[in-house]
Amino acid sequence: GAVVSQHPSWVICKSGTSVKIECRSLDFQATTMFWYRQFPKQSLMLMATSNEGSKATYEQGVEKDKFLINHASLTLSTLTVTSAHPEDSSFYICSAIGAGGAQETQYFGPGTRLLVL
Amino acid sequence: GENVEQHPSTLSVQEGDSAVIKCTYSDSASNYFPWYKQELGKGPQLIIDIRSNVGEKKDQRIAVTLNKTAKHFSLHITETQPEDSAVYFCAASKNSGYALNFGKGTSLLVTP
Repeated sequence: GAVVSQHPSWVICKSGTSVKIECRSLDFQATTMFWYRQFPKQSLMLMATSNEGSKATYEQGVEKDKFLINHASLTLSTLTVTSAHPEDSSFYICSAIGAGGAQETQYFGPGTRLLVL
Repeated sequence: GENVEQHPSTLSVQEGDSAVIKCTYSDSASNYFPWYKQELGKGPQLIIDIRSNVGEKKDQRIAVTLNKTAKHFSLHITETQPEDSAVYFCAASKNSGYALNFGKGTSLLVTP
């Protein structure tokens, strides 16, 4: 199946700093990428939908100025957590679907664990 | 919006037994239903999916059934093995190209 990678796999940062997470589709072109957040022992919650070359669509309650998403190419989307605070500590997971029509499987990356001190 | 309910939240079975996880959804427009397996500290891995024009799909020890009228779908794992232990999520969307609405997950433990 298709492979989606994320970098870094984990990051620890101080409160107030910004953190960038990369999501790459390694062997296919991703027209759409999704960003999810998962707290311990909870389900995945959609944060935003990212289409290549256009602005991301954020879910209700997700601050677009705090979680900056850039989908600059068909293989790369980035999520930047600006001015991170301890409550932003979570597991961030991206997923991607390929080009070529509606019936495409959504593949997930391995996730990035963020700890804000 | 879509609401996906998943049961049970935890499931413990003995190796070799079958495991069944059930989900219901609320939006009759949903037509794509994948199941994901998530191991600790990893991203979800697609194990099987079904679309609304199909009632059942099987892949070796894993099968999924869909009842569109009742708006529920189930995951069946036969001959369970310890390596099947993980958290399983069901999801629904109007199309495989749309974001997924996830159930709350089922923690499956297969004991030797």
